[in-house]
Amino acid sequence: AQSVSQHNHHVILSEAASLELGCNYSYGGTVNLFWYVQYPGQHLQLLLKYFSGDPLVKGIKGFEAEFIKSKFSFNLRKPSVQWSDTAEYFCAGLYNTDKLIFGTGTRLQVFP
Amino acid sequence: GAVVSQHPSRVICKSGTSVKIECRSLDFQATTMFWYRQFPKKSLMLMATSNEGSKATYEQGVEKDKFLINHASLTLSTLTVTSAHPEDSSFYICSAERGGLAGTTYEQYFGPGTRLTVT
Repeated sequence: AQSVSQHNHHVILSEAASLELGCNYSYGGTVNLFWYVQYPGQHLQLLLKYFSGDPLVKGIKGFEAEFIKSKFSFNLRKPSVQWSDTAEYFCAGLYNTDKLIFGTGTRLQVFP
Repeated sequence: GAVVSQHPSRVICKSGTSVKIECRSLDFQATTMFWYRQFPKKSLMLMATSNEGSKATYEQGVEKDKFLINHASLTLSTLTVTSAHPEDSSFYICSAERGGLAGTTYEQYFGPGTRLTVT
């Protein structure tokens, strides 16, 4: 079955630390991948997406993600986090349809 | 651009009553809208896909007679929770797919969500 998994459920970091959130997707033919962020009390916003081309994707707010086909991974990274990055992060995959399949989310807390 | 709104943002209702939630794409036309349910500490679960002018497609396990979806126009979809019960209490999120623009890739835009509490 098509699925997206996020193994980090809760990550706590200090400001300026580097961030990497894991995302793995199941095989299912062509898959497009997304990272969304949900700030406290706000709606889901798109951070970045991968459809094709350069596997290193740069998004908003200094985030990037790397599509590694051999590992079925699409990990999210940021070299130096800020307190304002505290949020819930969701990885999602689009398999041949327009139905997004979401991972369970990772709660990131950044302390000053 | 690409703003999606939901109304109400929060609603409390008594068990047995019905509640309607609206989802609007404010600055674009959305032929397809989606309704999700988000449980605490869990992912978003797709409930149904709503296409303008046709019947919604429900995901397995979602009761279509309980969660009525109407997509009457290219900018409005509604979700009605009929005969609500406490177990229906949840956070309901809609999204709208903007399509038809040359050179753009697929993207869903999400509403801010509606917190439903059934007492």
